[in-house]
Amino acid sequence: KQEVTQIPAALSVPEGENLVLNCSFTDSAIYNLQWFRQDPGKGLTSLLLIQSSQREQTSGRLNASLDKSSGRSTLYIAASQPGDSATYLCAVDQTGANNLFFGTGTRLTVIP
Amino acid sequence: EAEVAQSPRYKITEKSQAVAFWCDPISGHATLYWYRQILGQGPELLVQFQDESVVDDSQLPKDRFSAERLKGVDSTLKIQPAELGDSAMYLCASSHNPAGGYNEQFFGPGTRLTVL
Repeated sequence: KQEVTQIPAALSVPEGENLVLNCSFTDSAIYNLQWFRQDPGKGLTSLLLIQSSQREQTSGRLNASLDKSSGRSTLYIAASQPGDSATYLCAVDQTGANNLFFGTGTRLTVIP
Repeated sequence: EAEVAQSPRYKITEKSQAVAFWCDPISGHATLYWYRQILGQGPELLVQFQDESVVDDSQLPKDRFSAERLKGVDSTLKIQPAELGDSAMYLCASSHNPAGGYNEQFFGPGTRLTVL
């Protein structure tokens, strides 16, 4: 069974810093990988999706990379803002059937 | 903007009682998902519907959990009897149609269940 791990579990940074969140998965035969944001007590919002044939995707201050062979993905957030404070989850889809395996998340706090 | 609706937002119940959660997906979305998210963990898929049919319920504890989507629109997830370990956030999501590849999943706000 696919296992998805995220490190660190929690991270605090001062406003303006660049930061990297890490995601690793045990089975490299994936269809795609997604990064989500979850605000406290709320549902998930999709941020970026990387197909298995791609190496990275960018949206605004966010950049996600994928190294499928090593089972790793990173989410880079540039010039962090207090509004970026949330839990960030990565999820892999192995078959393309949209059945997602989620990591445990990284709780990010950006300090003003 | 269309959203996935869930109710109730919060539910407190005693163990051995029955509970039910309701989800109304975005209009026109053929695929509906129920996830369970235990505090501090990522969501885990419980059941996936394509229209009114179940396409994946391999992680659904079928001895106590049931889910239905009778008319292929809204859906109900039921737990009977509830156990202490069922305390979690129950998330519903919908997507247009996964056939042929990725379709973004849109998540509702969730139902927070506490079993006492």
